[in-house]
This record gives sequence, structure tokens and C-alpha cells, in this order.
Amino acid sequence: DAKTTQPPSMDCAEGRAANLPCNHSTISGNEYVYWYRQIHSQGPQYIIHGLKNNETNEMASLIITEDRKSSTLILPHATLRDTAVYYCLGYGGATNKLIFGTGTLLAVQP
Amino acid sequence: DTAVSQTPKYLVTQMGNDKSIKCEQNLGHDTMYWYKQDSKKFLKIMFSYNNKELIINETVPNRFSPKSPDKAHLNLHINSLELGDSAVYFCASSPIHEKSPLHFGNGTRLTVT
Repeated sequence: DAKTTQPPSMDCAEGRAANLPCNHSTISGNEYVYWYRQIHSQGPQYIIHGLKNNETNEMASLIITEDRKSSTLILPHATLRDTAVYYCLGYGGATNKLIFGTGTLLAVQP
Repeated sequence: DTAVSQTPKYLVTQMGNDKSIKCEQNLGHDTMYWYKQDSKKFLKIMFSYNNKELIINETVPNRFSPKSPDKAHLNLHINSLELGDSAVYFCASSPIHEKSPLHFGNGTRLTVT
């Protein structure tokens, strides 16, 4: 399973786009890049995932570099409710376990 | 209409006791999981069951015993509770075992005194 590296914390102004980076240079060819978030005192919430192509859903966009060594999660218009710890994970490898790292604490400021 | 529900939400007990945490999902998923989040906020997988069959056991102490009476339920029984068992335990489920998004419950905060 891929080891991922994320900045420990980021700030974002309310209404602006939040761009959360993730490095996953050891990701294998069949591992998907997954993003989850955990709002205080709640269970992790699935956001989006992708393999090679960029993906978009109602929550966010995922941009994966061509070499698949890094990705960026984009929240187009951050709100105060988006304040959470965001986790980037590689999933679907040989052991097929969802392994969480330390994530990025995104603080959306009013 | 909670998708993955855990009970109880809070559990306070003394060392040496035996306790159970229940988990139910109404999503029709085949695979269920238990995760532990410690005081440093690290989320670690403990167990995974697929259609009532144990798939993953992450070298969890024998005091922890998952029980899956049917594919909609995965309960966690803990014997001889220790101080270090204090944590938030999350149940999760997914449609199939591989590469499917997991849906998590809101956790059970276990405090052992």
C-alpha cells in the first residue's frame, strides 16, 4: 500500500477554493487514490477517488498527475463546514487495506 | 435512516470488564470493518469481514473478538479491558471487498478507567 505525505495543516478563506496536496510516489499501478475527511467527533466521510484520470463529483475535484506520484483535492468553494482533517490514501493494492495517515487539518476561516 | 449505526455512542467501564460494541449497516454491503482511533488520532484497521467470513485480522490481541451473525451486523466483543483500549472505535462497510469506498459509522468512544 502506498505511503502518502500531506501537509499537517492548511488555512483557507471561506468561499475560496481549497487545494489540498498529497504525495504518493510509491503508489502501485493498481492502487486508487482515495480522499476521505473527518469532521470533529464524526466518522470518516468518503469524498472522491481516482486511478489515472481527473475526477469530479458534487463534493470535490481530484487532479492526479500524469506520473501518479501526487494529487490535489480541490474544494471549489470552501465553507466553514468543510473544516476537517482530510486524508489521502492509496487503496486497492496487494493487501487491500484502507490505511490512514496523519492527514491535513483544513481550517476554513470566515 | 442511518447507514452504518453503532451502539453505544459512549462506553465508560473499569479495567478487567468485558464489553461489546454493536454495529449494523442497512446498505446491503457485503464487507464490514472495525477501525480504532487512538488518542493521537491515528486510524488503524482491526478487522474486516466479507459475508460473515474473517478477511483481515491486524494482529489485534485475542481479547478482541469480532462476531458477524449476518452480513448486516459486525459486533466487537472485548474481554478483560485494559487502559490502553481507551479509544474511539469505528465500524464501516463497503459494497465489495476490493476498492470500494467505505462508509463509516460515527464511532463509539470507549473509556477504560
